[in-house]
Amino acid sequence: DIQMTQSPSTLSASVGDRVTITCRATQSIDEYLAWYQQKPGKAPKVLIYKASSLESGVPSRFSGSGSGTEFTLTISSLQPDDFATYYCQQYSYSWTFGQGTKVEIK
Amino acid sequence: QVHLQESGPGLVKPSETLSLTCSVSGDSMTSSDFYWAWIRQPPGKGLEWIGNVYYRGNTYNSPSLRSRVTISVDTSRNQFSLKLRSVTAADSGLYYCARQTCDGGDCYSRVEYFNLWGQGTLVTVSS
Repeated sequence: DIQMTQSPSTLSASVGDRVTITCRATQSIDEYLAWYQQKPGKAPKVLIYKASSLESGVPSRFSGSGSGTEFTLTISSLQPDDFATYYCQQYSYSWTFGQGTKVEIK
Repeated sequence: QVHLQESGPGLVKPSETLSLTCSVSGDSMTSSDFYWAWIRQPPGKGLEWIGNVYYRGNTYNSPSLRSRVTISVDTSRNQFSLKLRSVTAADSGLYYCARQTCDGGDCYSRVEYFNLWGQGTLVTVSS
């Protein structure tokens, strides 16, 4: 099985900050990676697919990069609506999620 | 606009079978090149993929749950279902159904990410 590990588990930041979350795979997944945002009491929402492609309707302050085993999600200027938990998910072999990164208000 | 809605009992006794249904509205499951998936989330924890199904009946299940899971599709009702047998308290949590994309719309190639989710339904396993 491919395991996905996110870091950090929790991130404290302020509005306007540049935020980066890392996701690492236990083996190469090429670019078969998606990122999701989940707010309390809500279903996850896809932000990024194929490592760096922005889902339709998602603000351009979100971006993704990486390939192989290391990936990043960047929020260029954190907005109040962005405080949430973020998950990566690989779809190279089967489908597995990272454990999540909570972005909280500093 | 396509909408997914989970339904089923919110309380299941230990050792019994958890049964959920996801109703798809706004599009026919047979006219769309998507897989249809179940994902769960224990309270306060992360997301776990359970399994998925294509409208033709092809399924994949999580290795950790495979012996207890059955996912099926009913195209006449535009629904798909999850059965999880021999449940314990560890199976409690939010259960989501979701639509899963296929590479280039070809579901005989790579099945990809989850681009549409239901609101989720809470299932508690308790006597």
